[in-house]
Amino acid sequence: SQQGEEDPQALSIQEGENATMNCSYKTSINNLQWYRQNSGRGLVHLILIRSNEREKHSGRLRVTLDTSKKSSSLLITASRAADTASYFCATNSGNTPLVFGKGTRLSVIA
Amino acid sequence: DTAVSQTPKYLVTQMGNDKSIKCEQNLGHDTMYWYKQDSKKFLKIMFSYNNKELIINETVPNRFSPKSPDKAHLNLHINSLELGDSAVYFCASSPRFGGGTDTQYFGPGTRLTVL
Repeated sequence: SQQGEEDPQALSIQEGENATMNCSYKTSINNLQWYRQNSGRGLVHLILIRSNEREKHSGRLRVTLDTSKKSSSLLITASRAADTASYFCATNSGNTPLVFGKGTRLSVIA
Repeated sequence: DTAVSQTPKYLVTQMGNDKSIKCEQNLGHDTMYWYKQDSKKFLKIMFSYNNKELIINETVPNRFSPKSPDKAHLNLHINSLELGDSAVYFCASSPRFGGGTDTQYFGPGTRLTVL
């Protein structure tokens, strides 16, 4: 069954602006991961946050996790046209496969 | 280059045909997966193999049969193709199954179109 649910489904911003995407999930997790998918390509892992972590940074990416609300957010700062892609959250709940959400389609307009 | 590779990249075929998609990873990972991504971009796991053994078989028609000759390869054979099988199929691998912090490495995908 589907675990992660991203919001919004689509987001369009100007280059240089920040982009925020949210992910909600239903059951307890070990970790939550964010992936990016460029058009016509496979998914690429961006960042992983463990259930005992609240915030994590990687370059222009900032991920937060609120296990009490079962939600996570991905913030991309100072967006670039090259950030245009679909972004998926995926949850890991122990000895089970990752469960992916439906993704947020981000368009960054130059 | 170290990677997950799939062949073919595009596959166009008639309903009722049988086709195969091949996947290879040279990352030394123990676990491989097949996913199906539909037109709405929803990514759903189909199968997972750990060290050549099937460990996950989601609700997939038995027309789909995965085969893992060794832990670096996971092929997908589809019999009697149907229109609804049209999708992009992704192969992926991870160091271990249920490793907690393991991330997955995806192949470039195979776009299957059934006419």
